[in-house]
Amino acid sequence: DTEVTQTPKHLVMGMTNKKSLKCEQHMGHRAMYWYKQKAKKPPELMFVYSYEKLSINESVPSRFSPECPNSSLLNLHLHALQPEDSALYLCASSQEASTGINEQFFGPGTRLTVL
Amino acid sequence: AQKITQTQPGMFVQEKEAVTLDCTYDTSDPSYGLFWYKQPSSGEMIFLIYQGSYDQQNATEGRYSLNFQKARKSANLVISASQLGDSAMYFCAMRGHNTNAGKSTFGDGTTLTVKP
Repeated sequence: DTEVTQTPKHLVMGMTNKKSLKCEQHMGHRAMYWYKQKAKKPPELMFVYSYEKLSINESVPSRFSPECPNSSLLNLHLHALQPEDSALYLCASSQEASTGINEQFFGPGTRLTVL
Repeated sequence: AQKITQTQPGMFVQEKEAVTLDCTYDTSDPSYGLFWYKQPSSGEMIFLIYQGSYDQQNATEGRYSLNFQKARKSANLVISASQLGDSAMYFCAMRGHNTNAGKSTFGDGTTLTVKP
């Protein structure tokens, strides 16, 4: 099973709402990632979890709060977002984070619209 | 720091012909991995092929091959016998083994259109 799943597929939220994005993988990978992608642009790394610990935070605003409850699950909690946060949010996983020799597997993404 | 450059914003190819998508890179890591991903309009990033910096041979995966020229810091993707389903955005990416471990750097992408 080389699948990364993400829910929901689409999300519309107001600027005062609190919502969460969910990502799951059952490949035994120990590294999980959140990316943000605007239309026609490359993905931008937001967070990296390695062995369930946050290892990289790319200076992401605190209105985005990641959580890794266990090695298979990754959440992204959203609060007080801005319209410019509207984007495709991609989750990915890989065997390890500390090496560049293994590929990342991406989920289908959540298309987020902030009104 | 890592940098990936894809100089072709858009490419067209006739069905059944081969096409080369260009990618050049720069990094301070002595050991790194180079990746190509395909992103259809549906949004999912699909892993295509990987090349390690110390691999002696060019990587191949079915109709995909990677033309790796380390001295020139290039890692071009070659798609043979193009199919209509190959129409998508293609991203070249790299991940370092040491100083940039865990961070993937992506190029700006190339939009490939396969014409019937």
